[in-house]
Amino acid sequence: KAGVTQTPRYLIKTRGQQVTLSCSPISGHRSVSWYQQTPGQGLQFLFEYFSETQRNKGNFPGRFSGRQFSNSRSEMNVSTLELGDSALYLCASSEGLAGGHGELFFGEGSRLTVL
Amino acid sequence: SQQGEEDPQALSIQEGENATMNCSYKTSINNLQWYRQNSGRGLVHLILIRSNEREKHSGRLRVTLDTSKKSSSLLITASRAADTASYFCATAGKAAGNKLTFGGGTRVLVKP
Repeated sequence: KAGVTQTPRYLIKTRGQQVTLSCSPISGHRSVSWYQQTPGQGLQFLFEYFSETQRNKGNFPGRFSGRQFSNSRSEMNVSTLELGDSALYLCASSEGLAGGHGELFFGEGSRLTVL
Repeated sequence: SQQGEEDPQALSIQEGENATMNCSYKTSINNLQWYRQNSGRGLVHLILIRSNEREKHSGRLRVTLDTSKKSSSLLITASRAADTASYFCATAGKAAGNKLTFGGGTRVLVKP
């Protein structure tokens, strides 16, 4: 089975721009969770999608949004980028909801640098 | 805010030694999981322990859970240089909205 695929792996943007990150989960997994990882804040939960519905949301401003398609692929979007948005964005998939008793399978991440 | 907090933040040991790290959390949980992350890469699941379990083993890994103290420990026995990584605990529970939240991690360096 192919693992979780995130694209792009690296990207550089400037303040004020927007960015869209993509995540393809493991085949058969219906849940996709997104996390932001920075040296200062660690791993912060952004949101979780299950069967195209947002099931949970972290404490991030409305500039951060996401969606999930019928094939379980997910995208997250950050608008009006700020310097503090520079981070490694990690996507993880699971068969059931992430808060259940299953493990998460992570992609390699998308490293975003905002200049 | 993070549900779990790992201790110590960093650990340096010689190959062959054991490495122990601890995780404390604040609210009741359904389960606790441990993940490993090699530098700048995705996380890899190591082990899951349910709230009604006290100890679990997987290869050279031993995890304990004390729900009365709201704490867990991860022991890596006979460490190898390849165990050099950051280790994170993650918890899920109704009080935290059933989302899986991660602690700050323990950076482990295993010197050959």
